[in-house]
Amino acid sequence: EVQLVQSGAEVKKPGESLKISCKGSGYRFTSYWIGWVRQMPGKGLEWMGIIYPGDSDTRYSPSFQGQVTISADKSVNTAYLQWRSLKASDTAIYYCATALIVVRGQGYFDYWGQGTLVTVSS
Amino acid sequence: SYELTQPPSVSVSPGQTARITCSADALPKQYAYWYQQKPGQAPVLVLYKDSERPSEIPERFSGSSSGTTVTLTISGVQAEDEADYYCQSADSSGAWVFGGGTKLTVL
Repeated sequence: EVQLVQSGAEVKKPGESLKISCKGSGYRFTSYWIGWVRQMPGKGLEWMGIIYPGDSDTRYSPSFQGQVTISADKSVNTAYLQWRSLKASDTAIYYCATALIVVRGQGYFDYWGQGTLVTVSS
Repeated sequence: SYELTQPPSVSVSPGQTARITCSADALPKQYAYWYQQKPGQAPVLVLYKDSERPSEIPERFSGSSSGTTVTLTISGVQAEDEADYYCQSADSSGAWVFGGGTKLTVL
């Protein structure tokens, strides 16, 4: 059974750094892309980017390029989403999900993690 | 930038048919995918490649495509179908995009 288990909720202050995680199990971690999706309070889903753990090939949404870092450690079957300096506007639920590429780089998310709530407040 | 436009809300009575549209603002249209999200839960994939259904999704969920508009149809809507529905596709550069979401209310 494919499972993605995300790290727990975080409360941070503006300017602090943060790294949240997503551990995959039940499938070959290095053979499937993993992506991250943001959902701000009461708002819709936003695609942040995807990474292929096999070779760390990473693609970012233009909206998130330079704002976050997506990485993966295949030795522990875990993907990460990292911020160097948080802002209040980063307050959101962040989901990881396995991503299937269909054609020409496009694809979809099939299995989702439970989400990690990140709250940034002074 | 590439946008997918969905109606903010759709309301239907139990047993009726709900149709949720998703319009792309540019050609060529890529495949579309649909997710269901219930309050406090992670999204769930309900359709992929416009009209393909994962095995665990009920047959009452179907999809169609015409021009730059795709439609999620839920036949015989049940109370448990009340949720937010999001379409997703990709622009010509490969960046994935979600629609704004549609709140389905079962009256």
